[in-house]
Amino acid sequence: GAGVSQSPSNKVTEKGKDVELRCDPISGHTALYWYRQSLGQGLEFLIYFQGNSAPDKSGLPSDRFSAERTGGSVSTLTIQRTQQEDSAVYLCASSLVEGSIYGYTFGSGTRLTVV
Amino acid sequence: QKEVEQNSGPLSVPEGAIASLNCTYSDRGSQSFFWYRQYSGKSPELIMSIYSNGDKEDGRFTAQLNKASQYVSLLIRDSQPSDSATYLCAVNMILTGGGNKLTFGTGTQLKVEL
Repeated sequence: GAGVSQSPSNKVTEKGKDVELRCDPISGHTALYWYRQSLGQGLEFLIYFQGNSAPDKSGLPSDRFSAERTGGSVSTLTIQRTQQEDSAVYLCASSLVEGSIYGYTFGSGTRLTVV
Repeated sequence: QKEVEQNSGPLSVPEGAIASLNCTYSDRGSQSFFWYRQYSGKSPELIMSIYSNGDKEDGRFTAQLNKASQYVSLLIRDSQPSDSATYLCAVNMILTGGGNKLTFGTGTQLKVEL
């Protein structure tokens, strides 16, 4: 696609429910990153996928968070048993090669609200 | 010490003035540095990258890098009201698994006043 596509754009969920956030990167981009941004805060790294290599999960805040990337393209971030502190904007980014060399292109984000 | 530090602002400048945004980082091994602009309610947009010491100019924007001082800056000449946004400094850092990620500062809010 022309840009990084994320869905849904907004999600309101009840505390304790599971949610799935989707990211469709730019076609051909091998690197994919998930970040989250809480109100008034900086971007917090969550997870990194590069090609077919095992993902780097070092930023995931708890074992309630998981992510997968199918076929080296679409990625899904899953949050189980959501808590109010999970409320944030979840941003996905992709890059043709390792994004720290050339910078990333971000999607428009999913705003998650846990009530 | 934060990995990437920025003054949160707000930084207010009059229209037409030069806005100067600053960033320091902790990892001496970092090789790539970026400035992103983020409008309220929108996602970050890459506006500048710099890899070597010195200045890099692109239109009204100039990025400056001093690796010895671990310092990156962004100058915006002839500031316009449309430049009002939060500017995020990003620095590449090595992941424990050997890959790379960008680490972001918390951003400086810039307000350009008429």
